[in-house]
Amino acid sequence: DIQMTQSPASLSASLGETVSIECLASEGISNDLAWYQQKSGKSPQLLIYTTNRLQDGVPSRFSGSGSGTRYSLKISGMQPEDEADYFCQQSYKYPLTFGSGTKLEIK
Amino acid sequence: EVQLVESGGGLVQPGRSLKLSCAASGFTFSTSYMAWVRQAPKKGLEWVATISTSGLTTYYPDSVRGRFTISRDNARSSLYLQMNSLKSEDTATYYCARHGARVDFAYWGQGTLVTVSS
Repeated sequence: DIQMTQSPASLSASLGETVSIECLASEGISNDLAWYQQKSGKSPQLLIYTTNRLQDGVPSRFSGSGSGTRYSLKISGMQPEDEADYFCQQSYKYPLTFGSGTKLEIK
Repeated sequence: EVQLVESGGGLVQPGRSLKLSCAASGFTFSTSYMAWVRQAPKKGLEWVATISTSGLTTYYPDSVRGRFTISRDNARSSLYLQMNSLKSEDTATYYCARHGARVDFAYWGQGTLVTVSS
């Protein structure tokens, strides 16, 4: 199985700050990497797929990058509504696996 | 608008069975791969099962293979998850999800809570 190691587990950011979250896959996943946002008490929502493609309706301050085994999500200019849990997921092969999540809070 | 509405969750004793349902609307169900994903209380996300458009091909992680069965009824735009031999570690909110083009989870339902306890 492909292990997804996500870091950091938590972080706090000031409004307007740029933040990054990383995921490290245990083997190459050929850019088949998605990012999800889950607000408190809500279902997860797809933000980014195939490493860097924004899902419809997702603000452009969200961006993704990476290759091989290392991938990252960047939020350029933290907004109050960005406070949430974030998860990465590899869609390269079964079993599909998620990172353990990052809790992003406003400082 | 894509809508996925789960039902069938509840409290069940260890070793017993439960069947979840998901009613889909707002898209062409019969041409979409579908999945179940679960989330234990205060924990991360775990993929549970995926089914192809025809229903002929299914995928499971080792943690549920042989105990859970995913199925679909394209005429009713409905997805199901039959869960047998339930364990306490199956306690979670179960989400119905529609796969995107790259086997990501493009749309999610609101979830249904399954609690396995005596």
